Amino acid sequence: AQKVTQAQTEISVVEKEDVTLDCVYETRDTTYYLFWYKQPPSGELVFLIRRNSFDEQNEISGRYSWNFQKSTSSFNFTITASQVVDSAVYFCALSEARISGKTSYDKVIFGPGTSLSVIP
Amino acid sequence: KAGVTQTPRYLIKTRGQQVTLSCSPISGHRSVSWYQQTPGQGLQFLFEYFSETQRNKGNFPGRFSGRQFSNSRSEMNVSTLELGDSALYLCASSADRVYEQYFGPGTRLTVT
Repeated sequence: AQKVTQAQTEISVVEKEDVTLDCVYETRDTTYYLFWYKQPPSGELVFLIRRNSFDEQNEISGRYSWNFQKSTSSFNFTITASQVVDSAVYFCALSEARISGKTSYDKVIFGPGTSLSVIP
Repeated sequence: KAGVTQTPRYLIKTRGQQVTLSCSPISGHRSVSWYQQTPGQGLQFLFEYFSETQRNKGNFPGRFSGRQFSNSRSEMNVSTLELGDSALYLCASSADRVYEQYFGPGTRLTVT
């Protein structure tokens, strides 16, 4: 069965510090997708990144970077030089990718989220 | 391109009533998924509709139902509301596969 674990419930850092949000996943499939979403207080989920299971290359986008390691089933997210605007709840998510006939196994399973507070 | 829109944004209902939430997907998208977010259970998948057919379903009681119209707009209905149904209901649309979905701003439902 699919499962996403984000062990850190809440993290608090001082502005300009680096912070890493951990994500560990479980799946029996060989083809799957991993995501990170940001949810600011307004509530809307903001898409940050999607990786497929065949692409273990790390990715950097500005102050954000992601480390995908299949060997440890982890997909960690690092914010460098954090800013107050980074304060939000961050969700890691997993989606298997199978459609058989008219049946879809596609659904996104979210982790419990990590609430990040960046203190000025 | 306009994003996913959800109406209403806020709703207050009384226990025992029913409620209908609406979601308009991004133009051209045929898949609409619904999620419930509560502090206790987190983000949980309700169901997905694709071309007017329910294609996938989460583990929710039959009080939760949905439908999709020919223009891909989707509605979600909750009958006999319970206090525990108070939540943020998020809708997401994609062209086909849910791993390319975009989320709307959500409808915050409060049941009193």
